[in-house]
Amino acid sequence: EAGVAQSPRYKIIEKRQSVAFWCNPISGHATLYWYQQILGQGPKLLIQFQNNGVVDDSQLPKDRFSAERLKGVDSTLKIQPAKLEDSAVYLCASSLVGLNEKLFFGSGTQLSVL
Amino acid sequence: SQQGEEDPQALSIQEGENATMNCSYKTSINNLQWYRQNSGRGLVHLILIRSNEREKHSGRLRVTLDTSKKSSSLLITASRAADTASYFCARLQGGSEKLVFGKGMKLTVNP
Repeated sequence: EAGVAQSPRYKIIEKRQSVAFWCNPISGHATLYWYQQILGQGPKLLIQFQNNGVVDDSQLPKDRFSAERLKGVDSTLKIQPAKLEDSAVYLCASSLVGLNEKLFFGSGTQLSVL
Repeated sequence: SQQGEEDPQALSIQEGENATMNCSYKTSINNLQWYRQNSGRGLVHLILIRSNEREKHSGRLRVTLDTSKKSSSLLITASRAADTASYFCARLQGGSEKLVFGKGMKLTVNP
């Protein structure tokens, strides 16, 4: 079974630039999550989709972050404009058995904002 | 903010020894999950324990849950060098659809 695919693997940008991350969840997984993991910390949920509807985006900085999940399959997370504090690993995860049970994670995108 | 913390924050042991990691939390939970993260990789789900369960086993892993003390422990028996990783507990809080991760604990198993 193919895992959660994320791209790019690494990204380096200047502050105030824009960046986009892509995620393709495991086939058939209805729930998709984007997490932000700052070095030395645990993942923090940014947004959670159930099919193509948003379940929770309370911790998404909506003035600069946006995410969409077209057709309830793959998803894109965008940052515009980026700040230095956005440097982190952005993890995408998906789950099949209900919400928030046994998440499958991708390898993440490591973002460095200079 | 993230609730609950893993304890200790770092643990170094020799191969063959047992490793015990603890997780505390503050609010009621529906379930508690443990994940492993190898350096530079995504997280891997290890085990899930529900609020009405007290103990679960999976291979060399044993998880306990004490809801009265709001704590859980993960025991890895007969550790191997390949168990070297960061371990996170994640709580599905009661009344919430949000899975909250702790800061993690770094385990080093020396060959």
